[in-house]
Amino acid sequence: QVQLQQWGAGLLKPSETLSLTCDVHGGSFSGYFWSWIRQSPGQGLEWMGEINQSGSTNYNPSLKSRVAISLDMSKSQFSLNLSSVTAADTAVYYCARVPASFYYYMDVWGEGTTVIVSS
Amino acid sequence: DIQMTQSPSSLSASIGDRVTITCRASQSISRFLNWYQQRPGKAPKLLIYGASSLQSGVPSRFSGSGSGTELTLTISSLEAEDFATYYCQQSYSSPRTFGQGTKLEIK
Repeated sequence: QVQLQQWGAGLLKPSETLSLTCDVHGGSFSGYFWSWIRQSPGQGLEWMGEINQSGSTNYNPSLKSRVAISLDMSKSQFSLNLSSVTAADTAVYYCARVPASFYYYMDVWGEGTTVIVSS
Repeated sequence: DIQMTQSPSSLSASIGDRVTITCRASQSISRFLNWYQQRPGKAPKLLIYGASSLQSGVPSRFSGSGSGTELTLTISSLEAEDFATYYCQQSYSSPRTFGQGTKLEIK
């Protein structure tokens, strides 16, 4: 039973870089995409981007210039960096697993990390 | 981006009721539609993928149907644990987008 455990800084100042990591416990990286989704009261659920086992990434164009997702299979983890944060980036951030199948769906989620951006 | 609109935004129902939530897409998404349940303070949980495929471990009272621009989630007989917020998500194209959610409350 795969589990995703998230960690990272929860309080940032404007212009800083958000960094979160998701540890993958009990599963393989092969055959999956690994994604980040955030949820804020104003924007609802927003898909941020994904990475596959080969390191190929796909980002939401609304964030493309600020977001970077990376993968470290040796540590069984993947990470999210979001640069130049503002108050609008205050949200709960989730990591999730996406089976590389005909239908794209998030079948396993992390518990969520609350990130607050405030001066 | 494909816009996803759920209706209703909120719904009051009683235990044992049959409820249906609709998700409308701004363009055809075929059957590339997933449904999630979210309880307060928890991560979303996958219920249905590919419009009508039940995720392993999800009770059979949940079902999905439809294709194109209008798809639905039905709960055949509500149980206490079903009172939560439900989201649809299209996987037809990138960026993946979600509906705004439907909050299901006890009447």
